Amino acid sequence: EVQLVQSGAEVKKPGESLKISCKGSGYSFTSYWIGWVRQMPGKGLEWMGIIYPGDSDTRYSPSFQGQVTISADKSISTAYLQWSSLKASDTAMYYCARTPEGESMDVWGQGTTVTVSS
Amino acid sequence: DIQMTQSPSTLSASVGDRVTITCRASQSISSWLAWYQQKPGKAPKLLIYKASSLESGVPSRFSGSGSGTEFTLTISSLQPDDFATYYCQQYNSFGTWTFGQGTKVEIK
Repeated sequence: EVQLVQSGAEVKKPGESLKISCKGSGYSFTSYWIGWVRQMPGKGLEWMGIIYPGDSDTRYSPSFQGQVTISADKSISTAYLQWSSLKASDTAMYYCARTPEGESMDVWGQGTTVTVSS
Repeated sequence: DIQMTQSPSTLSASVGDRVTITCRASQSISSWLAWYQQKPGKAPKLLIYKASSLESGVPSRFSGSGSGTEFTLTISSLQPDDFATYYCQQYNSFGTWTFGQGTKVEIK
């Protein structure tokens, strides 16, 4: 079964760093792009960026460029989304999704809730 | 960036109704459009890709059409399981994907 399993919920303080993960299984992890999507409480979906684990080619939405870092470790079939200094406005649900040929998103992780509060 | 505008934002309908949701792009995106369904507390689910291709396992009551700047998602006969929020997404320009703001389908 093709699946993406994300790391658990996080509660952090403003200014702290964070790295969340997305582990793929049941398919060739290095052959598919992985995208990240943000959903703030009660709001819609926002596309953040995408990585190709085979060569770590990464693209960012202009809205998120410089705010987050997307990476991948192909040896353990895992993609990451990280922040160096969290803000309260980073509070949201974050989803990873498999993106065949960099197009639509056909398999989604279950989501990771990030809460940033003092 | 390409902006995606969905209408309506909310739609009230009854079981058995034919439902149509529209998505307009700020510039031509050919057929590079997907539709997703999201239920509360769940991850989105891919329904349609390349504007009109039905994802495997998705019921045939869902269909997509359009090209260029105007697209539609149609549910031919609304079922209880279809009450959810629907999003369109364009992937015309590699690395600059955007979603519509969503359309919530509610029980009338």
